[in-house]
Amino acid sequence: GPKVLQIPSHQIIDMGQMVTLNCDPVSNHLYFYWYKQILGQQMEFLVNFYNGKVMEKSKLFKDQFSVERPDGSYFTLKIQPTALEDSAVYFCASSLVFNERLFFGHGTKLSVL
Amino acid sequence: QQQVRQSPQSLTVWEGETAILNCSYENSAFDYFPWYQQFPGEGPALLIAIRSVSDKKEDGGFTIFFNKREKNLSLHIKDSQPGDSATYFCAASGPNYNVLYFGSGTKLTVEP
Repeated sequence: GPKVLQIPSHQIIDMGQMVTLNCDPVSNHLYFYWYKQILGQQMEFLVNFYNGKVMEKSKLFKDQFSVERPDGSYFTLKIQPTALEDSAVYFCASSLVFNERLFFGHGTKLSVL
Repeated sequence: QQQVRQSPQSLTVWEGETAILNCSYENSAFDYFPWYQQFPGEGPALLIAIRSVSDKKEDGGFTIFFNKREKNLSLHIKDSQPGDSATYFCAASGPNYNVLYFGSGTKLTVEP
């Protein structure tokens, strides 16, 4: 079936550094999402994105966070600077219809030291 | 305020039994309720979904029972198999809401 690819699978960085999480969504999908999961528990919504713009972001999507999808390539989540509480697994997802039938990647585990 | 609540947090059943996972939601305007299944080390995958115009949805051994008045729903997994062991997330969204809200998940273990 359709696959969403996330790169890298694990990233370890020092607090205060910048990190970029990359997502290769399903090719014909129009909507893109980032969710944050801590300790295998609740999937916390961060942001969704359509037609080059953020549609909605949550309180967790701090000013240090940004997303973009330049020229239809990777959908990226950038955190600059990182904080200890940013340690989590970040899941990217994409869909053809808004908020329906999301396809998730395997996640990027971010460890901020 | 948590928009979607799930119970129990974890559930263990024997192979062949029916597992029942519960979900409730806050906002009566929500009208779309998907269930996602997540295996360790993977992202969630859509399992089955229901819209609020229906009170039941079946797909293979998975059935959603929906109660609009009570604002709750349940996922029944009939004839559970060890391969069904996973975390199950209930989610909700609706018109005029730009977010698909997830619950905290139920970790299901099916013992052989």
